[in-house]
Amino acid sequence: AQSVTQPDIHITVSEGASLELRCNYSYGATPYLFWYVQSPGQGLQLLLKYFSGDTLVQGIKGFEAEFKRSQSSFNLRKPSVHWSDAAEYFCAGYNNNDMRFGAGTRLTVKP
Amino acid sequence: GAVVSQHPSRVICKSGTSVKIECRSLDFQATTMFWYRQFPKQSLMLMATSNEGSKATYEQGVEKDKFLINHASLTLSTLTVTSAHPEDSSFYICSAREGQAGGYTFGSGTRLTVV
Repeated sequence: AQSVTQPDIHITVSEGASLELRCNYSYGATPYLFWYVQSPGQGLQLLLKYFSGDTLVQGIKGFEAEFKRSQSSFNLRKPSVHWSDAAEYFCAGYNNNDMRFGAGTRLTVKP
Repeated sequence: GAVVSQHPSRVICKSGTSVKIECRSLDFQATTMFWYRQFPKQSLMLMATSNEGSKATYEQGVEKDKFLINHASLTLSTLTVTSAHPEDSSFYICSAREGQAGGYTFGSGTRLTVV
């Protein structure tokens, strides 16, 4: 069955530290891949997406993600986290009318 | 784990008719559910936040009278597309959260086609 997995439910990092959020997918074919962010009380905002081409994708707010076919992964990274990055992050995959979301990773940023 | 059931998964309706989509949390209570819409190869667009026992909060540009949301219980929210037109054809998906500390769970989505 097609699925998207985010292994980490909760991650805490210090402000200014680097961040990597993990995402793994299981699809018959390479899906379109997305990262979304959801701030408290708000809906999802698209950070970046991968359809094809360059496997390193740049997004908004200084985020990037790297597609690795061999590892079936699409991890999200940021070199230096800001306190305003504290939120819930979702990885999603879409293929052939089938959209799947990971369970989300809650990011806490320590001062 | 938490499960959100969304029905129907696919629906085809005639222009001018109404369609109801259900979002049900099967093993947890959800005081808040979110309704999204997605066009092909585009990101999800938040339509509204559904709050149990109160009116939904709609995002700017979403027609309240066209997309009726009802969250009558802690386990069920419904989205009704009234007087559907072909431009309403889209992929609709809901999500729910269990409490303040739980993860978000998404429904499997509904593919609406208006002919």
